[in-house]
Amino acid sequence: GAVVSQHPSRVICKSGTSVKIECRSLDFQATTMFWYRQFPKQSLMLMATSNEGSKATYEQGVEKDKFLINHASLTLSTLTVTSAHPEDSSFYICSARAQDRNSGNTIYFGEGSWLTVV
Amino acid sequence: LAKTTQPISMDSYEGQEVNITCSHNNIATNDYITWYQQFPSQGPRFIIQGYKTKVTNEVASLFIPADRKSSTLSLPRVSLSDTAVYYCLVGEVRTGGSYIPTFGRGTSLIVHP
Repeated sequence: GAVVSQHPSRVICKSGTSVKIECRSLDFQATTMFWYRQFPKQSLMLMATSNEGSKATYEQGVEKDKFLINHASLTLSTLTVTSAHPEDSSFYICSARAQDRNSGNTIYFGEGSWLTVV
Repeated sequence: LAKTTQPISMDSYEGQEVNITCSHNNIATNDYITWYQQFPSQGPRFIIQGYKTKVTNEVASLFIPADRKSSTLSLPRVSLSDTAVYYCLVGEVRTGGSYIPTFGRGTSLIVHP
């Protein structure tokens, strides 16, 4: 299947700093990418939909000024956690939508990024 | 609003067949059903996708009845390495036509020796 790569896989940052997570579709173009957050033993919670060339659409309750999303090209979306606080520590997962003529719009996921804010 | 319901957990033994059923009563007419496997600290991994009837690949089968209000993932002869959380995923089409993949709570499968 299609490959989505996330980087970094783990990051530790100090409170008050910003950290950027990259999501790349390696072998297909993705006009739409999705960013999720997952707490231990819970399901994935959608944070925002990233659209190439336009502003991201954020889910209710997600602060757009805190979680900056940029989808600069058809293969790259970035999530920047600004002024990070310990409560932002979580597992962040991106996904990309691949349009395949043989199937539906299949969603492929990155490996995830663990963020720890100290 | 598309929503999925799955059993929270299931237990099985090595070598057995496991069937996990997902209810998606409000699935959109043109939406596919996709199943994923997730291990701790990893992103979900694509298993199988289908629209109707039966789909089979090298790792699983997917059964979808005619009304498409549910689907069943079948894992033949599970092994310990199949212990994971399994999600069925359908989309939610919002005003404006945007397609939002929506996760339910998933099924935690534990395979015992």
